[in-house]
Amino acid sequence: KAGVTQTPRYLIKTRGQQVTLSCSPISGHRSVSWYQQTPGQGLQFLFEYFSETQRNKGNFPGRFSGRQFSNSRSEMNVSTLELGDSALYLCASSSMPGGEQYFGPGTRLTVT
Amino acid sequence: GIQVEQSPPDLILQEGANSTLRCNFSDSVNNLQWFHQNPWGQLINLFYIPSGTKQNGRLSATTVATERYSLLYISSSQTTDSGVYFCAVDDGQNFVFGPGTRLSVLP
Repeated sequence: KAGVTQTPRYLIKTRGQQVTLSCSPISGHRSVSWYQQTPGQGLQFLFEYFSETQRNKGNFPGRFSGRQFSNSRSEMNVSTLELGDSALYLCASSSMPGGEQYFGPGTRLTVT
Repeated sequence: GIQVEQSPPDLILQEGANSTLRCNFSDSVNNLQWFHQNPWGQLINLFYIPSGTKQNGRLSATTVATERYSLLYISSSQTTDSGVYFCAVDDGQNFVFGPGTRLSVLP
C-alpha cells in the first residue's frame, strides 16, 4: 500500500504571495489532518477533514484554509504569506477521526 | 485544552545503552501515539497505544491512562535511533503533540 504523499516537497515564496499544498492519503483513508511544525512552536494542529467536511480547526488565522475532495485528497492554502509562515507542513491520514495517523514526508515552505 | 509534557527534553546515550522516555498528559485521552522524527523530518509511527503495553523489537511502550502517562523504552540503542521522539494524544478533537525528546546516540 502506498504511503501518504505530499507535493511539492520544497517551496520558496515571497511575502504576500499565496501557496497551495497537496496531500494524498493512504488508499481507503478518509480522514486527513494538517500540522505546522516550527522550531519555536513545535507541531501544531491546523485542521482535519473527514468525508470532505472540515471536522476541526486549530488556532490559526483565516489565511489558512483547506479542503478535501471526493477521493479524499486534500489541499491546504495559505494566502498573503508572512515570514512566520515558514515551516514544515505535515499531512497525516487515518481511516477515521481519532484513528492511527500516518504522516507524509512534509512540504518545507520558506517565505522570503 | 489538554497539555502534553515530555521528559527529558534532551538525552545523549552511548550506543548499546537503554533509555526511558516519558509523556505526561493533563486530561483523559481517547488515544495516544509515539513517533520518531528522523533528520529529514519524516514522522515514523512507533506505537498506537491508548492503554497497556506493546513491544516491537528493541522498542516497547506502556500507557497507564488512569494515571495519565506513557513510557517509551528503547533498549540496546543504535545510532539510527537518533532523532526526536514525540508523543501525541487524541483529546477527542484532534491530536495534540508534546514538545518532543531529542535523542542522540553516540557510536
